[in-house]
Amino acid sequence: GAGVSQSPRYKVAKRGQDVALRCDPISGHVSLFWYQQALGQGPEFLTYFQNEAQLDKSGLPSDRFFAERPEGSVSTLKIQRTQQEDSAVYLCASSFSPLGQTQYEQYFGPGTRLTVT
Amino acid sequence: KNQVEQSPQSLIILEGKNCTLQCNYTVSPFSNLRWYKQDTGRGPVSLTIMTFSENTKSNGRYTATLDADTKQSSLHITASQLSDSASYICVVSPPQSYTASKLTFGTGTRLQVTL
Repeated sequence: GAGVSQSPRYKVAKRGQDVALRCDPISGHVSLFWYQQALGQGPEFLTYFQNEAQLDKSGLPSDRFFAERPEGSVSTLKIQRTQQEDSAVYLCASSFSPLGQTQYEQYFGPGTRLTVT
Repeated sequence: KNQVEQSPQSLIILEGKNCTLQCNYTVSPFSNLRWYKQDTGRGPVSLTIMTFSENTKSNGRYTATLDADTKQSSLHITASQLSDSASYICVVSPPQSYTASKLTFGTGTRLQVTL
């Protein structure tokens, strides 16, 4: 099991519900990234962790989005009071880079497809 | 406004044929440009990575080119196979001085290889 894993793979939520999406990065990877990918679009950056520190959350679309990585490994992306526009695939990626530098490869998980009805 | 534009949006080719996908970007400066392959229901997987000083990079049947003057890149697929059916995404990275990776993704080209 060497890759990035995400769970659940699919999530259907009613509008207004809270959801939590999990990411298990590759063991030893310091940097962890979350992306949002709308249907037919490329991924868009949400937030970045260096170990347990959330160094960049500039891509989070609203204060309903919250991410954490308390022990510097597994990360959870939480969306409160989900809205229909939150429907998308949420991708997690991890990197060996200690500072998230772009020359290091990012390894992506399969994503969680969130559908808000 | 997306700073990475890809064309065509979708493409259908016969197995065994070659094809070329285009990427135009306005991100400047940049440190490197990647091409990713994304199978349906999967995360993107890197095919090639080029710095701004490189002109071409190959990975098996995939060859990427980069013209930093015109800010264009292309991905050429030779002797296509059914397994090449996927979305191909061009990604531009900011300079290495950035401590957080804010990759700029294109919208992708959806390639379908048929018999």
